[in-house]
Amino acid sequence: KAGVTQTPRYLIKTRGQQVTLSCSPISGHRSVSWYQQTPGQGLQFLFEYFSETQRNKGNFPGRFSGRQFSNSRSEMNVSTLELGDSALYLCASSRLAGQGAGELFFGEGSRLTVL
Amino acid sequence: DAKTTQPNSMESNEEEPVHLPCNHSTISGTDYIHWYRQLPSQGPEYVIHGLTSNVNNRMASLAIAEDRKSSTLILHRATLRDAAVYYCILRDNRDDKIIFGKGTRLHILP
Repeated sequence: KAGVTQTPRYLIKTRGQQVTLSCSPISGHRSVSWYQQTPGQGLQFLFEYFSETQRNKGNFPGRFSGRQFSNSRSEMNVSTLELGDSALYLCASSRLAGQGAGELFFGEGSRLTVL
Repeated sequence: DAKTTQPNSMESNEEEPVHLPCNHSTISGTDYIHWYRQLPSQGPEYVIHGLTSNVNNRMASLAIAEDRKSSTLILHRATLRDAAVYYCILRDNRDDKIIFGKGTRLHILP
């Protein structure tokens, strides 16, 4: 079956712009979570959505937002981009939320460069 | 702060077993222990998980201490393709706010 798909894979933006990243989970998966990965901070949790509702949010400023659609696809948006937002943004899906025993499936990520 | 601690890096020879340790002294009764690995230029991939008993799958084995305060991921016969960063994380049924630590960078020597 098809894996988690993230688009775009690479993008370059300038400071002050905004960006929208998309994540299509594995068919049948209803939970989508987002992570930011940078060399200095490692993998950091951004937020998690289940059935179009945000269940959890990490310690990121309000410039970072997300949403989930009825087909479980999710988008995240970063407004007023800063240089420090340059990172690999990863999306993961799982069948259900709050399932400690559930496996997370990650996409290959969207690499954002802010100039 | 990460709920788990792992060595920054480890080395192993090809075709030999590798034991990757993880400490999670503050683990709660509802936390599952998960291992993921991230190969260069890829997203993390699931390796194995467990709650209390040791677990085996086609990729690896997970040995969990009796008090659950530590665990060890065992790769039975390392190959060059196993060179990756290995993350040990805790997942709770109540909260999916997963915290990743720095992981262990595993180097495999030919």
